[in-house]
Amino acid sequence: QLQLQESGPGLAKPSETLSLTCTVSGGSISKSSHFWGWIRQPPGKGLEWIGSVYYSGSSYYNPSLKSRVTIYADTSKNRLSLDLSSVTAADTAIYYCARHATGDQAPFDSWGQGTLVTVSS
Amino acid sequence: SYVLTQPPSVSVAPGETARITCGGDDIRSKSVHWYQQRPGQAPVLVIHYNSGRPSGIPDRFSGSNSGTAATLTIRRVEAGDEADYFCQVWDNTGDLRRVFGGGTKLTVL
Repeated sequence: QLQLQESGPGLAKPSETLSLTCTVSGGSISKSSHFWGWIRQPPGKGLEWIGSVYYSGSSYYNPSLKSRVTIYADTSKNRLSLDLSSVTAADTAIYYCARHATGDQAPFDSWGQGTLVTVSS
Repeated sequence: SYVLTQPPSVSVAPGETARITCGGDDIRSKSVHWYQQRPGQAPVLVIHYNSGRPSGIPDRFSGSNSGTAATLTIRRVEAGDEADYFCQVWDNTGDLRRVFGGGTKLTVL
């Protein structure tokens, strides 16, 4: 059974870079049929797609975050990572990793439990 | 950028039918997906490609996409259906992105 597990610091300081990892078990991120993405949810608010990465390293991002985001895949460790630079309090959120099939209109069919990141000095 | 509009809340008595709408420009031309998020949990896909039901989702859940909005219908509502529901599409009208609706809180009275 596919499982995704996010990890990383629960606290980040303003202006710094937030770095999170999503470890995948029960399946390989190197399957050609899927992309792996990050979605976030500010407390009590809605969902926002951050971006997605393919095992080859090809990635695409939400235009509203693109200038601050890098997502990359580590096939040797079967995980993906997220770097979000120059964070502010507005980046405080639960961060989820999720899988979606290749194809622009594919849904997110498997999600991690999420990790809360608070941006505060 | 593309905007998906959902009602903030819907209330229904147990055993009744809940309908949650998701509006957007020319939404009928898009594939709409629906996610259920129970309190403190991650979202779960309950309807994909407008009306498909992933494995393990009860047939009480159904979806449609016609007219001016997509609709998630939950028949014979149970207390365990109380959750936030989000619609989602791929926006190719300008900036390419995956877009979520603002979410609808379903309350079971």
